[in-house]
Amino acid sequence: RKEVEQDPGPFNVPEGATVAFNCTYSNSASQSFFWYRQDCRKEPKLLMSVYSSGNEDGRFTAQLNRASQYISLLIRDSKLSDSATYLCAVNMKGGSQGNLIFGKGTKLSVKP
Amino acid sequence: DAGVIQSPRHEVTEMGQEVTLRCKPISGHDYLFWYRQTMMRGLELLIYFNNNVPIDDSGMPEDRFSAKMPNASFSTLKIQPSEPRDSAVYFCASSLKPGFGYTFGSGTRLTVV
Repeated sequence: RKEVEQDPGPFNVPEGATVAFNCTYSNSASQSFFWYRQDCRKEPKLLMSVYSSGNEDGRFTAQLNRASQYISLLIRDSKLSDSATYLCAVNMKGGSQGNLIFGKGTKLSVKP
Repeated sequence: DAGVIQSPRHEVTEMGQEVTLRCKPISGHDYLFWYRQTMMRGLELLIYFNNNVPIDDSGMPEDRFSAKMPNASFSTLKIQPSEPRDSAVYFCASSLKPGFGYTFGSGTRLTVV
């Protein structure tokens, strides 16, 4: 099993749609989880952290399922500007130590 | 804050040449990370530093790769000699702590011909 796995997509959705991505991780001791957004030929940018209690920021909701070892990102009311690749990142060494391992990303394309 | 600053933005070099990539982290960030991104392998961690000390270099692919952090505001990643398979985008990132999110630089797009 790979350390961090994502469906590469692409997810092609119309404007206004709700879309969800999942990301599975292999290390049950992992404590830190993040979603990043990467636009074409740009650097990844932190979108949001994922807390045990879930996290919501406007149209974006991130959740953690420890039992099944995955995190999710829900985007409501999709905008054209949401088109990007979404990377999940997991701290694999547990606690606050170690480094982040990134998934390869899920590509989202929002169409008019 | 200017963010994480990398240079050069683009580098085209011939196989066998030495390549040096540079990074200035965000002031006050104690952790610095070097990643490489390709379509096939995604973002791979090469090495990271804590307070200028290398902590984990297990991701450095070969002895041809070396990284240094002589002070808190500067790091280099060197490839000598370079090979075509080294072509990728190299990102530097910094963080207050590993459990915090990282801030990435704009990256260096390296092409080895």
